[in-house]
Amino acid sequence: ILNVEQSPQSLHVQEGDSTNFTCSFPSSNFYALHWYRWETAKSPEALFVMTLNGDEKKKGQISATLNTKEGYSYLYIKGSQPEDSATYLCALGSGNTGKLIFGQGTTLQVKP
Amino acid sequence: DTAVSQTPKYLVTQMGNDKSIKCEQNLGHDTMYWYKQDSKKFLKIMFSYNNKELIINETVPNRFSPKSPDKAHLNLHINSLELGDSAVYFCASDDRNTGELFFGEGSRLTVL
Repeated sequence: ILNVEQSPQSLHVQEGDSTNFTCSFPSSNFYALHWYRWETAKSPEALFVMTLNGDEKKKGQISATLNTKEGYSYLYIKGSQPEDSATYLCALGSGNTGKLIFGQGTTLQVKP
Repeated sequence: DTAVSQTPKYLVTQMGNDKSIKCEQNLGHDTMYWYKQDSKKFLKIMFSYNNKELIINETVPNRFSPKSPDKAHLNLHINSLELGDSAVYFCASDDRNTGELFFGEGSRLTVL
């Protein structure tokens, strides 16, 4: 059974702090690693899809890295803002069927 | 315009009833999914259809029957509802170029 684990489960930071979360996954059967941002009362929105070992992607103040050999991905937020408060999900794609296995998410709360 | 729309958003019903949740996407995607958010908040895949053809069917009770009349619609019908079916159900479609999932806003089903 493939398991995707995220840590920490929740995080409270002050506005302006930088923060990072971890997503761990089994390195065998790797196809793609997704990150989604899920705001309360909305639907999850894609941030990044990464497929290559060593991939780094950036969107504004949010960036992600990928290590497929050791089975982890980091998501970084530089200078967190209250509007960054959300649950950040990672998901492992293990084949080209489109099936994703989601982690439980890291819930970030940024205090003004 | 909502890209992936689900109806109803909320559904409260009695055990033993049959109910349906409808999903439509206007993104022109070929593949659509149903995910269930379980009691531990994990998003778990239930079904996937590609251009009206079933391609993923996880170990879901056969009381759950997806129906795809065309590639823009994927409906979920549930027979003989049980208490454990209470959950939030998310429809999604994916962009096969990027792999990104586009989610609906979820349908919260409560079985009494």
